[in-house]
Amino acid sequence: DAGVIQSPRHEVTEMGQEVTLRCKPISGHDYLFWYRQTMMRGLELLIYFNNNVPIDDSGMPEDRFSAKMPNASFSTLKIQPSEPRDSAVYFCASTDDRGMWGNTEAFFGQGTRLTVV
Amino acid sequence: QKEVEQNSGPLSVPEGAIASLNCTYSDRVSQSFFWYRQYSGKSPELIMSIYSNGDKEDGRFTAQLNKASQYVSLLIRDSQPSDSATYLCAVKGSGYSTLTFGKGTMLLVSP
Repeated sequence: DAGVIQSPRHEVTEMGQEVTLRCKPISGHDYLFWYRQTMMRGLELLIYFNNNVPIDDSGMPEDRFSAKMPNASFSTLKIQPSEPRDSAVYFCASTDDRGMWGNTEAFFGQGTRLTVV
Repeated sequence: QKEVEQNSGPLSVPEGAIASLNCTYSDRVSQSFFWYRQYSGKSPELIMSIYSNGDKEDGRFTAQLNKASQYVSLLIRDSQPSDSATYLCAVKGSGYSTLTFGKGTMLLVSP
C-alpha cells in the first residue's frame, strides 16, 4: 500500500481565499483523522471519521473549518475564508479498529504545509 | 481536558550517549502509550508502544511506564546523529479512544 496520501504538499494562499486539503487513507482503514500541527500548540486533533461518518469534530477551531468524507477513500478539509493564523502543517492519519483500541498505530500522511499570507 | 506534557528541549547529547526523554500525562485512566519520532519536515512515525508498567526494550530503544506516577519515558542508547528529531509522546485512554499528543521534545545528537 502507498500509505496515507495527502495533497497538496504545500499551499500558499492569500487571506480570505478558500483552501481545500485532500487525503486518501490506507485501504481497509475505516478511521480517518485530521490533525493540525503548530509550534505553539503541537499536534491537535481536529476531527475524525469512522466509516465516512464524522464522530468527533470538537477540535475544529471555527465554523470556517469543515471536513467531509464522501467515500472510504477520500476526505477533504476546507477552510473558508482562510486567515494567517491558520498557517500550520495539516496531517491526515488513518487506522483500523485495532488502532482505536490501542493495539496498533495510526499512520500519518506526509502533511500539507499551509501558509496564508 | 487530557494533557500530555513534555519538555520542548532541545536535549543535546553527544554521539554514543544515552538520551532520556520524559513525558507526563493527566488522565489516570490512560491505558496505551506511544512514542513517535518526527524528523524535520516529515510526518510522525511510531517507534515504541507500551501498555504495562515497567520497561519494554526494542533494539536501542527502551520505553518505561509508571502509571502510579503518570509518567512515561524513552531511553535511546548509543545515540546516533540520525536520532536527531522531535520525539512525540502520545497517550490513549481506556477502550475506544483517540490519541492525545504532547508537543514533543527535540533531540540533537552531536557527532
